[in-house]
Amino acid sequence: EAEVAQSPRYKITEKSQAVAFWCDPISGHATLYWYRQILGQGPELLVQFQDESVVDDSQLPKDRFSAERLKGVDSTLKIQPAELGDSAMYLCASSLGGTSNYGYTFGSGTRLTVV
Amino acid sequence: GNSVTQMEGPVTLSEEAFLTINCTYTATGYPSLFWYVQYPGEGLQLLLKATKADDKGSNKGFEATYRKETTSFHLEKGSVQVSDSAVYFCALIPGGGADGLTFGKGTHLIIQP
Repeated sequence: EAEVAQSPRYKITEKSQAVAFWCDPISGHATLYWYRQILGQGPELLVQFQDESVVDDSQLPKDRFSAERLKGVDSTLKIQPAELGDSAMYLCASSLGGTSNYGYTFGSGTRLTVV
Repeated sequence: GNSVTQMEGPVTLSEEAFLTINCTYTATGYPSLFWYVQYPGEGLQLLLKATKADDKGSNKGFEATYRKETTSFHLEKGSVQVSDSAVYFCALIPGGGADGLTFGKGTHLIIQP
C-alpha cells in the first residue's frame, strides 16, 4: 500500500536553531498538507499545497515558518529560529484531488523536541 | 468558524463493551465528516467518513451516522477489543470542498482485558 514518507522520524534541536522536515507524498497526489499536532490536541493545518502552489497558509507563523513544494512533488517545512513552543508532532498528508471525496493519507510524522 | 467538539477522555472500557464517542460540529454549508484513529507514536489513519446527511460510515466494526439535525457524528462499536485502544479524532471539511481537515481534540480510548 502506498504511503506518505516523512523524515526524520524524531528531531531534537536547541532553541534558536534551524530545523527542517521533509515529506514525500503518494505518487500522483496533487494536494499536500502540513499539520502541527501539539501533545494532547488535534492536528491543526499549517499549509496546503495544490501542486507547487500554496492554497492556504493562513495559520502558518510566517515570521519563523516556511514551506515549499518546488516541483509539485515532495515538500519541505522549515522553522528558523525554533522556539520551545514549537515542540510538537508535524504531520504531512496528501490527497489525490482537492475535495473530500478523495482520501487523505497521513505520514507517520516528525516528532520535534525543542530544548 | 468551523469547529469540532468531542467528549473528553480518557474513556476506559472493558473488552466486549459497547462504545460511543460523541462528536458535534459547527460548520458552514454541508461539511464532510470523518473519524481518524491514531495509535501511539504513529500518524493518523482514516477510520470512516460520511459526505452527506444521513450517510452512515462504517469500517472494522465501527459506525457513525451523519446527523444534520443535531450536527453530530457519534462513533459507535458494539464490542470493543484491546486492540481498539488508541486516540480517536473527529474531523470535518466544510462544504465538502478543498480545504484541509478541522479536527477535534481527540478522545483517548483505553480497553482493559
